[in-house]
Amino acid sequence: GAVVSQHPSRVICKSGTSVKIECRSLDFQATTMFWYRQFPKQSLMLMATSNEGSKATYEQGVEKDKFLINHASLTLSTLTVTSAHPEDSSFYICSARGGQAEAFFGQGTRLTVV
Amino acid sequence: AQSVTQLGSHVSVSEGALVLLRCNYSSSVPPYLFWYVQYPNQGLQLLLKYTSAATLVKGINGFEAEFKKSETSFHLTKPSAHMSDAAEYFCAVSDQSKTDKLIFGTGTRLQVFP
Repeated sequence: GAVVSQHPSRVICKSGTSVKIECRSLDFQATTMFWYRQFPKQSLMLMATSNEGSKATYEQGVEKDKFLINHASLTLSTLTVTSAHPEDSSFYICSARGGQAEAFFGQGTRLTVV
Repeated sequence: AQSVTQLGSHVSVSEGALVLLRCNYSSSVPPYLFWYVQYPNQGLQLLLKYTSAATLVKGINGFEAEFKKSETSFHLTKPSAHMSDAAEYFCAVSDQSKTDKLIFGTGTRLQVFP
């Protein structure tokens, strides 16, 4: 199947700083990318959907000014957690779809804010 | 609106026993249905998908699922569990557009005992 690479896999940052997470589709063009957040032992909650070259669509309750999403090319989307706080600590997962029915997922990023 | 319900947050089986993970969906349009597996601290891996072709879908690692429209179900089965099958399993639904988001169930943790 197609490969989606997410980087970094783990990051620890200080409260008040910003963190950028990258999601790359390595062998296909991802017209749509999705960002999810997963709390311990829970399901994936969709945060936002981004289409290449346009603004992301955020789910209800997700602060777009806090979780900045950029999808500048057909192979790269980034999620920036701005002014991170301990409650932002979570597992963030991206996925990407091109012309396929299914979405392919990155390996996830474990964010810890101290 | 679409949704999925996974009955049973935890399922325990003995090695060699039948695995049955339940998923029921709700969709006002013809759905695509997916089963994903997640190992600890990793992203999601696609096990199998239903995209309106054959109703019995075979996936990787010996798993299969049957789409039953009359029951709005898409249960995941494997005839004989292996220790390596222990993981979190998620059922997901989307509509049949190429860019629609996935809606995930709450997940089922499968434990396999020797």
